[in-house]
Amino acid sequence: DTEVTQTPKHLVMGMTNKKSLKCEQHMGHRAMYWYKQKAKKPPELMFVYSYEKLSINESVPSRFSPECPNSSLLNLHLHALQPEDSALYLCASSHVRDSLSTEQYFGPGTRLTVT
Amino acid sequence: AQKVTQAQTEISVVEKEDVTLDCVYETRDTTYYLFWYKQPPSGELVFLIRRNSFDEQNEISGRYSWNFQKSTSSFNFTITASQVVDSAVYFCALSNLISNDYKLSFGAGTTVTVRA
Repeated sequence: DTEVTQTPKHLVMGMTNKKSLKCEQHMGHRAMYWYKQKAKKPPELMFVYSYEKLSINESVPSRFSPECPNSSLLNLHLHALQPEDSALYLCASSHVRDSLSTEQYFGPGTRLTVT
Repeated sequence: AQKVTQAQTEISVVEKEDVTLDCVYETRDTTYYLFWYKQPPSGELVFLIRRNSFDEQNEISGRYSWNFQKSTSSFNFTITASQVVDSAVYFCALSNLISNDYKLSFGAGTTVTVRA
């Protein structure tokens, strides 16, 4: 089952709110990713988890806080966001780098609007 | 440094026409992966193909075909007999094979519109 699920599909939040985005995969992948995508642009990598440990943080502001509770779940906690953080947030998963099959499988995304 | 260039910003065709999407890449690595992803209006990126740098065989999957030419650093994608459902943004991407780097370098994307 090549499926990555994300909830919620849409989220509108104020700049003082705290919310979380959730991602789940059951493909046995041990690498999981968060991307941010603005309209008409390619996805930009934010974080990578490998074996449930944070391995890459692309200098993302601390108002974004990732969490990987187990090998199937990935969360992104949001706090004190700015309107420019409005974007499509995509989760992805893949086998780890020592595998020959490292294509990333993406979820449908959460469309976030910060008011 | 790695770079992927998709020079075509938008392509519009009539149904049943063939459409070819260009992808040119730059990398100093000798071993790498190349990918194509499709992003329909719904937003999800759909994985289409992975090609290893040491495997230059072209590939056909239904109406899709890919032409990998290492000599010109290109990995072009052709949709034969296009259909309205092919309307999407298509991204070419590159990833280093050896390093422990999970990063995908994406091209800017090509928006394909297929008109009925």
